[in-house]
Amino acid sequence: QKEVEQNSGPLSVPEGAIASLNCTYSDRGSQSFFWYRQYSGKSPELIMFIYSNGDKEDGRFTAQLNKASQYVSLLIRDSQPSDSATYLCAVTFNTGGFKTIFGAGTRLFVKA
Amino acid sequence: DTEVTQTPKHLVMGMTNKKSLKCEQHMGHRAMYWYKQKAKKPPELMFVYSYEKLSINESVPSRFSPECPNSSLLNLHLHALQPEDSALYLCASSQFVGGQLSTGELFFGEGSRLTVL
Repeated sequence: QKEVEQNSGPLSVPEGAIASLNCTYSDRGSQSFFWYRQYSGKSPELIMFIYSNGDKEDGRFTAQLNKASQYVSLLIRDSQPSDSATYLCAVTFNTGGFKTIFGAGTRLFVKA
Repeated sequence: DTEVTQTPKHLVMGMTNKKSLKCEQHMGHRAMYWYKQKAKKPPELMFVYSYEKLSINESVPSRFSPECPNSSLLNLHLHALQPEDSALYLCASSQFVGGQLSTGELFFGEGSRLTVL
């Protein structure tokens, strides 16, 4: 059983639209939930983190967490071509040591 | 500019060579990580160091040997690698507060791209 699952896409949206990215995780002491963005040939960079159930907004980005459903999502409003990248869902588990596991990533294309 | 520095950026080695990857951070982070990333795949956790002690080894083959000489440095020693070990190796760090992970945010270096011939 995979610990963090994402639809690998690709997800294609027109410029200005809302992009919706989803992630589910196995509950093994999961503690923190993250969305990272990775451009081709670059290392991942943090977009959002969320700990508590509900929504968290930061500019054009909104992260949503539902622990009962073991579900995390990321909404990107007013999508721009520069948002085209792979979005990685990550979960930190405490299994006698803290480790952060990544989902397969969703490739997002924003068409101008 | 990244605050986690990895060297070398590129490394080509033969299967009989011994080489090392180096990682350095000066953010005072006490958790450091090695991840391996192959093309179009997510980063795959290899090792975690917490307070300079190895806390997690994800069943990595012994041809990869990590070392954490001090709180700022992390090395990955490579020996007798196979061509399938060719990948981008990412170092990351994160902060502890009171013995617990702070935000848990990972700060990544730019990676070392390894090619094994």
